[in-house]
Amino acid sequence: GENVEQHPSTLSVQEGDSAVIKCTYSDSASNYFPWYKQELGKGPQLIIDIRSNVGEKKDQRIAVTLNKTAKHFSLHITETQPEDSAVYFCAASRSMDSSYKLIFGSGTRLLVRP
Amino acid sequence: DTGVSQNPRHKITKRGQNVTFRCDPISEHNRLYWYRQTLGQGPEFLTYFQNEAQLEKSRLLSDRFSAERPKGSFSTLEIQRTEQGDSAMYLCAEVAGGNNEQFFGPGTRLTVL
Repeated sequence: GENVEQHPSTLSVQEGDSAVIKCTYSDSASNYFPWYKQELGKGPQLIIDIRSNVGEKKDQRIAVTLNKTAKHFSLHITETQPEDSAVYFCAASRSMDSSYKLIFGSGTRLLVRP
Repeated sequence: DTGVSQNPRHKITKRGQNVTFRCDPISEHNRLYWYRQTLGQGPEFLTYFQNEAQLEKSRLLSDRFSAERPKGSFSTLEIQRTEQGDSAMYLCAEVAGGNNEQFFGPGTRLTVL
């Protein structure tokens, strides 16, 4: 089955710097890759996603890149702010799997130092 | 706020007791998912419904677990004879729209003593 690995497990950056979180997946049939932000005591919040027919997607300070050949995708946060501090999860799913269930990475705890 | 609601938000129970959680999605007759999240890990798929039909169950879902979605609206997840290993956050998600994007509720945190 699909396996998603995420690195780093913790990331500390100075406010205003960029943060990059990387994920690799094992199933070449995976074609949908969302990123979630989870704050303490809350459910995961979808922040951006990318499908296998594009290589990059941006939404204000957040961007995601996908390399299908290498089977890895990354989240880029620019101009980080203290409110970006949270745990971020990558996930993968495939359309040929009728459930479209998400396989998650183990998370990255991002700390933005003021 | 996705609008998916879950109740209760917290549940503390003694080992061996039964517990039931409820998920109320925004829309009816769409796909609804249950995931389990243990401390320091990402959510893990448990099961999903298309309307009222439960179409897939993970191997994580032992026979002590049962999920229902009567009438394709709200869903319940019941755990019988709880064990300490069942302690986790139980998350419900629904697909809104046609893009297969999953939106999560706030979760129910279960603690089994």
